[in-house]
Amino acid sequence: AQRVTQPEKLLSVFKGAPVELKCNYSYSGSPELFWYVQYSRQRLQLLLRHISRESIKGFTADLNKGETSFHLKKPFAQEEDSAMYYCALKRDDKIIFGKGTRLHILP
Amino acid sequence: EPEVTQTPSHQVTQMGQEVILRCVPISNHLYFYWYRQILGQKVEFLVSFYNNEISEKSEIFDDQFSVERPDGSNFTLKIRSTKLEDSAMYFCASSRQVTYEQYFGPGTRLTVT
Repeated sequence: AQRVTQPEKLLSVFKGAPVELKCNYSYSGSPELFWYVQYSRQRLQLLLRHISRESIKGFTADLNKGETSFHLKKPFAQEEDSAMYYCALKRDDKIIFGKGTRLHILP
Repeated sequence: EPEVTQTPSHQVTQMGQEVILRCVPISNHLYFYWYRQILGQKVEFLVSFYNNEISEKSEIFDDQFSVERPDGSNFTLKIRSTKLEDSAMYFCASSRQVTYEQYFGPGTRLTVT
């Protein structure tokens, strides 16, 4: 069965420190993986997708098929990064989300 | 920049009542979706809709649920007889093609009492 696991419900990081939000997936075949972000009182929005291999707002994520992971990283956290982050995979036309990790950046 | 809109932002209804949640997808998008998020749980896929037909639905999307595109702009989710466990945030999304990014609406919070 397809599944996305985000082991951390909450991650608190000091401003300027590195951030890593963990994501593991279970999928038979070639997965299409995403990170979505939801800032306070805003809608879910796509942060990045693995096929584009781009960096958005300083965040990157590398697909590791051996470890079935797609961790989200940023070298230096900023206060505006505080938000809910969802790892997700796409199967056909539906998106399967993880439970999300709340990232809290401490001043 | 065009956005998906949803109305109402919050709907309170009594158990057993019918509710209709409304969405206006982005105008040149062809694929439409409903997701829901029960408080404290993950966002879950309900249904996808293309060319006036359901293309995929989850096991949550039982006979109590239906979707419709009654005109060229609206996309609705109807729950025929609400249950307490239908209380959740309901998100509409749309995409131009099935392989393209899905854009999400702000959600409708449904509270069933």
